Amino acid sequence: DTAVSQTPKYLVTQMGNDKSIKCEQNLGHDTMYWYKQDSKKFLKIMFSYNNKELIINETVPNRFSPKSPDKAHLNLHINSLELGDSAVYFCASSQSTLGNQPQHFGDGTRLSIL
Amino acid sequence: AQTVTQSQPEMSVQEAETVTLSCTYDTSENNYYLFWYKQPPSRQMILVIRQEAYKQQNATENRFSVNFQKAAKSFSLKISDSQLGDTAMYFCAFIKGGSQGNLIFGKGTKLSVKP
Repeated sequence: DTAVSQTPKYLVTQMGNDKSIKCEQNLGHDTMYWYKQDSKKFLKIMFSYNNKELIINETVPNRFSPKSPDKAHLNLHINSLELGDSAVYFCASSQSTLGNQPQHFGDGTRLSIL
Repeated sequence: AQTVTQSQPEMSVQEAETVTLSCTYDTSENNYYLFWYKQPPSRQMILVIRQEAYKQQNATENRFSVNFQKAAKSFSLKISDSQLGDTAMYFCAFIKGGSQGNLIFGKGTKLSVKP
């Protein structure tokens, strides 16, 4: 069974559209994250949630809105997509927010904006 | 602010040889953790090894080991008996001990293992 699963794996869409990426973890973890990996492979955190509460929002544009219906799910909705949003988006989870808890990553969603 | 630097954008090694990937970091924290993640062409992010800053002993996981030099703020990864499946991007990452989960990544080193 996949521990952290994201759907879809690939997303190709037009500029200006709205799209969502879903993430689910079956590890029983309390904390979930969204990271963005740009074309140069640089990974940077976007958001983190602990028990459905937002705890990190790293100066991400308002067009990005995470939603956590329960602690096993963290979805990412993106409005008015722009060319610069093209990237790979990774969901991750960890037992808690403490640094000694390793983060487990999903397989990523490659978002391509035409 | 914490930073993580990987000074080798690309490296290559012959199969069965040993290779060392460099990582340095900058922090004023005393309690933190360091990680190496591997990202093969399949795009997965796989945890390779982790090190607690309060531990002097270097972490090892099978063919992977680290050389953790706290005073020098250095955290290199050694891969012994390199295998073709080790071909991947390798990311060094830092996190504060009592943090809110913000992993800070280096820019990665692309490792190619040649037959």
